[in-house]
Amino acid sequence: SAVISQKPSRDICQRGTSLTIQCQVDSQVTMMFWYRQQPGQSLTLIATANQGSEATYESGFVIDKFPISRPNLTFSTLTVSNMSPEDSSIYLCSVVDSSYNEQFFGPGTRLTVL
Amino acid sequence: QKEVEQDPGPLSVPEGAIVSLNCTYSNSAFQYFMWYRQYSRKGPELLMYTYSSGNKEDGRFTAQVDKSSKYISLFIRDSQPSDSATYLCAMSASNDYKLSFGAGTTVTVRA
Repeated sequence: SAVISQKPSRDICQRGTSLTIQCQVDSQVTMMFWYRQQPGQSLTLIATANQGSEATYESGFVIDKFPISRPNLTFSTLTVSNMSPEDSSIYLCSVVDSSYNEQFFGPGTRLTVL
Repeated sequence: QKEVEQDPGPLSVPEGAIVSLNCTYSNSAFQYFMWYRQYSRKGPELLMYTYSSGNKEDGRFTAQVDKSSKYISLFIRDSQPSDSATYLCAMSASNDYKLSFGAGTTVTVRA
């Protein structure tokens, strides 16, 4: 399976600021996603990170709040903009191994907004 | 109604017991079914992946899918304290790979 790393692993941020989360994969992957896991809840898909084009957002998520970049097949960033305490969550990237149709997750970024 | 329902537990069992975890879903288009294990402060780890209906076994783990009932299960035999984690069911409708998750069931295996 692909090895996925995320930076930072955790952060504490002030309200109104922005944080950019990086996701790095050790091999080229076609499909890459960003999920959110709010405290005590399950994972919710934020968007599909498309290489070379704009991300595709799920209902309830917008580009102005969660801009995503995907400059190549091994890297993506998610920015959480103008943060509020409600954005305190774990943010996870995932990739698909298309050979086996299996989806793997990174370790997550734990964000606390004060 | 949530698209995927999973009993949140928690579930506490003695070592060596069989753990049974279940999810139901409402979207009949789901064809790909997965179980993930998530340890505290870690990302989800893929345990089992099943396409369509049927059973799949991998060591102590067995996944079952019954599409006619929209019901999936994960069984853990001879449970160990190291199996203590949150188990998440997930599923997708097609090869777009967009996963819908259950809420997760927290399992504790007592030594």
